[in-house]
Amino acid sequence: GAGVSQTPSNKVTEKGKYVELRCDPISGHTALYWYRQSLGQGPEFLIYFQGTGAADDSGLPNDRFFAVRPEGSVSTLKIQRTERGDSAVYLCASRTGMNTGELFFGEGSRLTVL
Amino acid sequence: AQKITQTQPGMFVQEKEAVTLDCTYDTSDQSYGLFWYKQPSSGEMIFLIYQGSYDEQNATEGRYSLNFQKARKSANLVISASQLGDSAMYFCAMRGGNSGGSNYKLTFGKGTLLTVNP
Repeated sequence: GAGVSQTPSNKVTEKGKYVELRCDPISGHTALYWYRQSLGQGPEFLIYFQGTGAADDSGLPNDRFFAVRPEGSVSTLKIQRTERGDSAVYLCASRTGMNTGELFFGEGSRLTVL
Repeated sequence: AQKITQTQPGMFVQEKEAVTLDCTYDTSDQSYGLFWYKQPSSGEMIFLIYQGSYDEQNATEGRYSLNFQKARKSANLVISASQLGDSAMYFCAMRGGNSGGSNYKLTFGKGTLLTVNP
């Protein structure tokens, strides 16, 4: 497909486990974002990549969260020692150029930590 | 820092009628952008409309229009001729200007759940 693809769509894990969430942006989009959306809230910024580098990771809540984008395309959000409070939908978005700055979102990965 | 406020947790509208979803914002940037996204139950965020802070005319996209009142810092979304498929969460968002490096990410409000009744 031509849109942003996220896998898995659903992930259930136990407290303390490690999880990885994958994002495949729209081809040619150099900017990639991760957002977290808790129930009843708007998306909250986590991290922004321009190319391969994390230009801004100020939204990551703590050092258990880490994200990479080694080849400037696919990105992986990694969460260590998961906690119940990490349960949320993790949204990935990408964009091209600056124009209006519109972000194109994937359908998200729903993470449930038991 | 930018802040978006959506004061309506939920709104109801009759099919074929118009509805206005409120959004106010706060920023110290001179240049900024305002967005509205729709999030149906499937979860995907769908871009609806964009308004630049220097745009003199209100943005329109089909049945969507943005009532931009810069002095009041409001950017309300107007949906005309509501359809059952418009039932969804609606989020107002803002992109900052160049100050403080905030011109690349969106800040979202908490959203408004719109229900269109037949």
